[in-house]
Amino acid sequence: AQSVTQPDIHITVSEGASLELRCNYSYGATPYLFWYVQSPGQGLQLLLKYFSGDTLVQGIKGFEAEFKRSQSSFNLRKPSVHWSDAAEYFCAVADSSYKLIFGSGTRLLVRP
Amino acid sequence: DAGVIQSPRHEVTEMGQEVTLRCKPISGHDYLFWYRQTMMRGLELLIYFNNNVPIDDSGMPEDRFSAKMPNASFSTLKIQPSEPRDSAVYFCASSFLSGETQYFGPGTRLLVL
Repeated sequence: AQSVTQPDIHITVSEGASLELRCNYSYGATPYLFWYVQSPGQGLQLLLKYFSGDTLVQGIKGFEAEFKRSQSSFNLRKPSVHWSDAAEYFCAVADSSYKLIFGSGTRLLVRP
Repeated sequence: DAGVIQSPRHEVTEMGQEVTLRCKPISGHDYLFWYRQTMMRGLELLIYFNNNVPIDDSGMPEDRFSAKMPNASFSTLKIQPSEPRDSAVYFCASSFLSGETQYFGPGTRLLVL
């Protein structure tokens, strides 16, 4: 069965520092992968997605993610974090019927 | 485009009452999804529709839950009777094609007392 693991429940970084959020997936075929962000009391907003092609994907708000098939990973990165990036981040994989399976989320805290 | 619209945004009800959550997908989107988010279980897909037809309802927790999509611009998720363990945030999402990006509504925060 497909699954997504986000090993970090919380991450705290200082404003201006770089960020990497980890995501590992389990899926037999080439996956469709997504990163969503959820601000408090809000719905989920798509940051970026990978379907095929270039394994380094650029998204909104300066985020990028790299698909590494050998490691079954799709880590999210940002070179310089802003205080407004504090939110919860969800990695997701779409299964063969295109249903999204979400990880448990990583809550990002940003120190001033 | 207004995005996915959900109502109400907040609902407080008593155990045993019927609850109806509403969703208006983005115009032109063929797929509609209902999710539930809880601290214990995270984000779970409950049911999804394609062209107003339910495709997979394997995530619906039990018979107390039902969902309908009478037309392309409206869907409901009904809980009858409601129980305290149904307290959660319920999200509706829509997408244009299968496998394409799902756009989420702001959610309905349900509290069953």
